[in-house]
Amino acid sequence: NAGVTQTPKFRVLKTGQSMTLLCAQDMNHEYMYWYRQDPGMGLRLIHYSVGEGTTAKGEVPDGYNVSRLKKQNFLLGLESAAPSQTSVYFCASSYLNTGGNTEAFFGQGTRLTVV
Amino acid sequence: AQSVTQLGSHVSVSEGALVLLRCNYSSSVPPYLFWYVQYPNQGLQLLLKYTSAATLVKGINGFEAEFKKSETSFHLTKPSAHMSDAAEYFCAVVRRGSQGNLIFGKGTKLSVKP
Repeated sequence: NAGVTQTPKFRVLKTGQSMTLLCAQDMNHEYMYWYRQDPGMGLRLIHYSVGEGTTAKGEVPDGYNVSRLKKQNFLLGLESAAPSQTSVYFCASSYLNTGGNTEAFFGQGTRLTVV
Repeated sequence: AQSVTQLGSHVSVSEGALVLLRCNYSSSVPPYLFWYVQYPNQGLQLLLKYTSAATLVKGINGFEAEFKKSETSFHLTKPSAHMSDAAEYFCAVVRRGSQGNLIFGKGTKLSVKP
C-alpha cells in the first residue's frame, strides 16, 4: 500500500521555468492538499481539493495553480518559478468527514530549489 | 484568526528524561487538534489527535497529550525519551469552517542526548 506518492523528490529550476509536481494517492480519499514547508514557518496550505474536478485556494496560493482531473491525482503547477518558491512541498490526502477530525496522510515531500 | 503557537523551536532532553512539547491554540469553540512528527527527510506522520471524546489522548510511540480548555493548551508529553524520538514535532488545528484544512504551528525540533 503506497499511500501518498509525490514525484519528483528533488528538482532544481531556473527562475522563470515552469514545472508540475504530481501527487497520487491510492486510499480513495476525497480531499487532497498541497502544503509548503519553510524553515521556522511550519506548513502552510497552498491549494486544496474536496473532490474530483474541484480546487480551492489556501493560505498562500499566489504563483501556483492546481488541477484535480482524477480523484487519485492532484497536480501542483508553477508557471514561472521564483526564488521565493524554493521550499519543500508536501501533498496530503484525507477521507470525507464533515466533523473535520479526520487524519491527513502525507507524502514524502518534494524539495524544490529555484536559482 | 485562528492560530497555533508552539513554545520553543528547539528542545533538548537527555535519554530517559521527560519530554514536554508545548502547544497553545486560539479558538472560541473546542477545536480538533493534532500532533504530527516529522523524521529527517520524511513526510509527516500522525502521533495523536483530540476529537473531544477524552481530554487525555494517547498516541503512538508512548506519546500522549492533554487537552486543557481553560488554558487553551494541548501539550505533548512522553515520560522517558528515546534516541529515536529525535525529530520535529508539529501541532495543528483544523481551520474552523473548512473541510479539514490544517493550521500548523511552526514546529519544535526535539534533540535527545545520550
